[in-house]
Amino acid sequence: DAGVIQSPRHEVTEMGQEVTLRCKPISGHNSLFWYRQTMMRGLELLIYFNNNVPIDDSGMPEDRFSAKMPNASFSTLKIQPSEPRDSAVYFCASSTLAGGNNEQFFGPGTRLTVL
Amino acid sequence: DAKTTQPPSMDCAEGRAANLPCNHSTISGNEYVYWYRQIHSQGPQYIIHGLKNNETNEMASLIITEDRKSSTLILPHATLRDTAVYYCIVRAIKAAGNKLTFGGGTRVLVKP
Repeated sequence: DAGVIQSPRHEVTEMGQEVTLRCKPISGHNSLFWYRQTMMRGLELLIYFNNNVPIDDSGMPEDRFSAKMPNASFSTLKIQPSEPRDSAVYFCASSTLAGGNNEQFFGPGTRLTVL
Repeated sequence: DAKTTQPPSMDCAEGRAANLPCNHSTISGNEYVYWYRQIHSQGPQYIIHGLKNNETNEMASLIITEDRKSSTLILPHATLRDTAVYYCIVRAIKAAGNKLTFGGGTRVLVKP
């Protein structure tokens, strides 16, 4: 298995532009998580899905952020409009839901820089 | 989920055992102790987890005190590639989800 796939790996954009981050979870996993990591705030959970349904989006910073999971093999995190404070590494992770003692597998992350 | 406390950093000599402590004094009976690590520029990686018994796998050992208020992750023979930030996380197993709450972790530097 290729693991969790994220694209792009690096994104540099200007303030005000729309940014879309993409994630392909591991096949067969039915939970998907979006995290953000900065030096100041560490690793924060933004939102997670179970069976393509958003369960907890309390970590989404504001309305400029939105996430979708149209099917079991694809998810997007969109920032519109982007701001310099959104600069961070964004990680996607997936896991199985059944059983409970299930590890999360993280992707390599997308490093976002908003100028 | 219960809060955890870890030292911010520690050094370890290559080839020696690294013992990483974690305090979780408010842990509940249904909460597990998980350990993840994050090597520089990579996503976090699962290491091990346990409820109350000591656990061992190919990566590490987890020792949980009898009262479950603290635990120790042991890397038996640290290598330079074990340099990373290690996160201790306490999490209840819930049917609705299994999100992780990361704290500051312990930055471990393995020195030759």
